[in-house]
Amino acid sequence: GENVEQHPSTLSVQEGDSAVIKCTYSDSASNYFPWYKQELGKGPQLIIDIRSNVGEKKDQRIAVTLNKTAKHFSLHITETQPEDSAVYFCAASAGGTSYGKLTFGQGTILTVHP
Amino acid sequence: KAGVTQTPRYLIKTRGQQVTLSCSPISGHRSVSWYQQTPGQGLQFLFEYFSETQRNKGNFPGRFSGRQFSNSRSEMNVSTLELGDSALYLCASSPLGRAQDTQYFGPGTRLTVL
Repeated sequence: GENVEQHPSTLSVQEGDSAVIKCTYSDSASNYFPWYKQELGKGPQLIIDIRSNVGEKKDQRIAVTLNKTAKHFSLHITETQPEDSAVYFCAASAGGTSYGKLTFGQGTILTVHP
Repeated sequence: KAGVTQTPRYLIKTRGQQVTLSCSPISGHRSVSWYQQTPGQGLQFLFEYFSETQRNKGNFPGRFSGRQFSNSRSEMNVSTLELGDSALYLCASSPLGRAQDTQYFGPGTRLTVL
């Protein structure tokens, strides 16, 4: 089955710096890659996603890049703010009969210091 | 639109008991997926329901079961609880549960097994 590896497990940055989180996946049939942010006591919240027919997607300070050949995708957050501090998860969804199943990375704890 | 709701938010049970958790999807969404989140194993897919039918299942023992009603609301049941079942149980809804459909998560039910 699909396996998603996420790095780093923790990331500490100063306010205003950029943060990059990287994920690799194993199943070449995967075609949908969402990123979620989870704050304490809450469920994961979608922040951006990318589909396999696109190499890059940007939404204000957040961008995601996808390299299908290398089977990896990355989250880029620019001009980080303290409210960006949370746990971030990448995920992958395979096509075909993989109904409703996301395979998640282990998560990255991002801390943004004021 | 109201988001995904889960009840109860917190549960404490003892070993050997059974528990039922409830999930109401976003209005119009017909697919509901369930996930277990633990510090050691991360976010793991349990199963997915669409039109009252289980279409996909993760690698969990038969003690974990679920169902979906005609209004798309879903319940999951865990029988003969074990200490290792302590976790945050999350449900997510999407329009049709296709591989590229965005999943929206509820706040989760925190289950503690004593």
